[in-house]
Amino acid sequence: AAGVIQSPRHLIKEKRETATLKCYPIPRHDTVYWYQQGPGQDPQFLISFYEKMQSDKGSIPDRFSAQQFSDYHSELNMSSLELGDSALYFCASSFRGLDQPQHFGDGTRLSIL
Amino acid sequence: QQPVQSPQAVILREGEDAVINCSSSKALYSVHWYRQKHGEAPVFLMILLKGGEQKGHEKISASFNEKKQQSSLYLTASQLSYSGTYFCGTEIIAAGNKLTFGGGTRVLVKP
Repeated sequence: AAGVIQSPRHLIKEKRETATLKCYPIPRHDTVYWYQQGPGQDPQFLISFYEKMQSDKGSIPDRFSAQQFSDYHSELNMSSLELGDSALYFCASSFRGLDQPQHFGDGTRLSIL
Repeated sequence: QQPVQSPQAVILREGEDAVINCSSSKALYSVHWYRQKHGEAPVFLMILLKGGEQKGHEKISASFNEKKQQSSLYLTASQLSYSGTYFCGTEIIAAGNKLTFGGGTRVLVKP
């Protein structure tokens, strides 16, 4: 079965640079979520989209933005990168509904030098 | 708002049982359980909906006590493959689909 696909798997950037992370949800899933997971931490919800509209917002810095496109893939844009942005970034997708499981991609490991 | 998981860590011998608890101060619609191995994606185990149901997946089962707003995950006759960090993710009533994860419980199963 198709899973959530994220790219790139690894990304190295320097401070103050920008980065774009991509996520391709499971086919027919209409909701996409972004999470940030620091070393030894639990995943922190950043933002979600339902049918290409932002549906919920969590602890996403103003330097970050995201969108979902007509083909349902999503991109997380990160600017003015800081050392503290180094983390695993996961995308998850699901069908809309409070009882629907979220399926996670393999994540993008972002390292800021 | 973050649910509280306990214990923080547990070490088991193969074949032993363990219980992981997840408690919330908010009224929950559902509790999602995930297992994550180091450097990998969280893998979905099961969802418990309000209504106090129980669910099972092989020898891993869970319950949801709506009165206490607490869910428990039961690892029965643990296998080496059960090692990893278990997270509960909670959906709060009237707060949308986003999951708020607990701090995780690290489980190590030894031969």
